[in-house]
Amino acid sequence: NAGVTQTPKFRVLKTGQSMTLLCAQDMNHEYMYWYRQDPGMGLRLIHYSVGEGTTAKGEVPDGYNVSRLKKQNFLLGLESAAPSQTSVYFCASTSGTGGGNQPQHFGDGTRLSIL
Amino acid sequence: DAKTTQPPSMDCAEGRAANLPCNHSTISGNEYVYWYRQIHSQGPQYIIHGLKNNETNEMASLIITEDRKSSTLILPHATLRDTAVYYCIVRLFYNQGGKLIFGQGTELSVKP
Repeated sequence: NAGVTQTPKFRVLKTGQSMTLLCAQDMNHEYMYWYRQDPGMGLRLIHYSVGEGTTAKGEVPDGYNVSRLKKQNFLLGLESAAPSQTSVYFCASTSGTGGGNQPQHFGDGTRLSIL
Repeated sequence: DAKTTQPPSMDCAEGRAANLPCNHSTISGNEYVYWYRQIHSQGPQYIIHGLKNNETNEMASLIITEDRKSSTLILPHATLRDTAVYYCIVRLFYNQGGKLIFGQGTELSVKP
């Protein structure tokens, strides 16, 4: 079982460059999430999606865009990378049924450094 | 969202039970208690969750007090591989897609 797969695993960018992080899940989950984790801190929600074609803002959405064109994929874009976006990015998914009674499953993360 | 309070660190001897406490005194009736752990900088790993009743799975047991204001995660026979940061999270499904709010967690060190 692949579960939640994130690509790339590591990336170094220069300030102002753009890139897209890909999250793919093979569990037919409706809900998908992007979090970021900074040193010594817990994860914070960037954007999320409750189904194909829908996205919504989380706690820290500024500087990021997302798209959910296919149910299994959730893309996170940085249009103009800034050093403050240096972080570890985690994608998660859940079935969305059961009123909160289904756990989120996480990928292994993408480590992004902005110089 | 309900907040959780956990001790910043704990030690446990290998082979003994690890009991990790969590306080969530402002929890509401429809919020679940979830436990995750994170080993090094890997992705958070789901352990267990519950609403009112005690729960057990192959990894751990979750004991929730009757008033639901606190809970304890029990790893029955801790191994060195259980060394990790453990997060207790109260989750409201209808808030931003049921996001998980991670606090500082408890850093559990299992020692030989």
